[in-house]
Amino acid sequence: DAGVIQSPRHEVTEMGQEVTLRCKPISGHNSLFWYRQTMMRGLELLIYFNNNVPIDDSGMPEDRFSAKMPNASFSTLKIQPSEPRDSAVYFCASSLRTGVVYGYTFGSGTRLTVV
Amino acid sequence: GENVEQHPSTLSVQEGDSAVIKCTYSDSASNYFPWYKQELGKRPQLIIDIRSNVGEKKDQRIAVTLNKTAKHFSLHITETQPEDSAVYFCAASGAGGSEGFKTIFGAGTRLFVKA
Repeated sequence: DAGVIQSPRHEVTEMGQEVTLRCKPISGHNSLFWYRQTMMRGLELLIYFNNNVPIDDSGMPEDRFSAKMPNASFSTLKIQPSEPRDSAVYFCASSLRTGVVYGYTFGSGTRLTVV
Repeated sequence: GENVEQHPSTLSVQEGDSAVIKCTYSDSASNYFPWYKQELGKRPQLIIDIRSNVGEKKDQRIAVTLNKTAKHFSLHITETQPEDSAVYFCAASGAGGSEGFKTIFGAGTRLFVKA
């Protein structure tokens, strides 16, 4: 298995532009998580899906952020319009959730810079 | 919701010495406690985990202990090596319900192992 695949690896965009981050989870994993990592705030959970359904988006900072999971093998995180304070590394992670909790497998992350 | 506190934020040890990182959690319903290692510029990776029905778990040079009564858990690294230098995150997760799918991370401990 290739693991959790994120794209792009790096994104530099101008303030006000739309940014779309993409994630392909590990096949067979039924939960997907989007995290944001910054030096100041550490790893913040933005949103997570279980069986393609958004369960909790309370970590999404503002209405400018939205996430979708149209099928079990693909998810997007969109920021529109982007702002400099959105600059961070965005990680996608997937896991298997049955009656037992398992650890995450993280993707390589997308380093977003908004100028 | 769950809150995880991690100490110390930075730890410097001499090669060969032991390192201990401690975490506390707030939600008594949490029952899964993973630890992740993140090397500079890379993704967090699961290194060991412990469930609430176990008090201690060991894997070669690393071990985790859990005290459910006190809501404390710790990571112990023995015979440290320079390649152990990284940021270590503790985390806590429940088993079911919408909250149970969340894994909440501590702020991280930056470990330096001096050769």
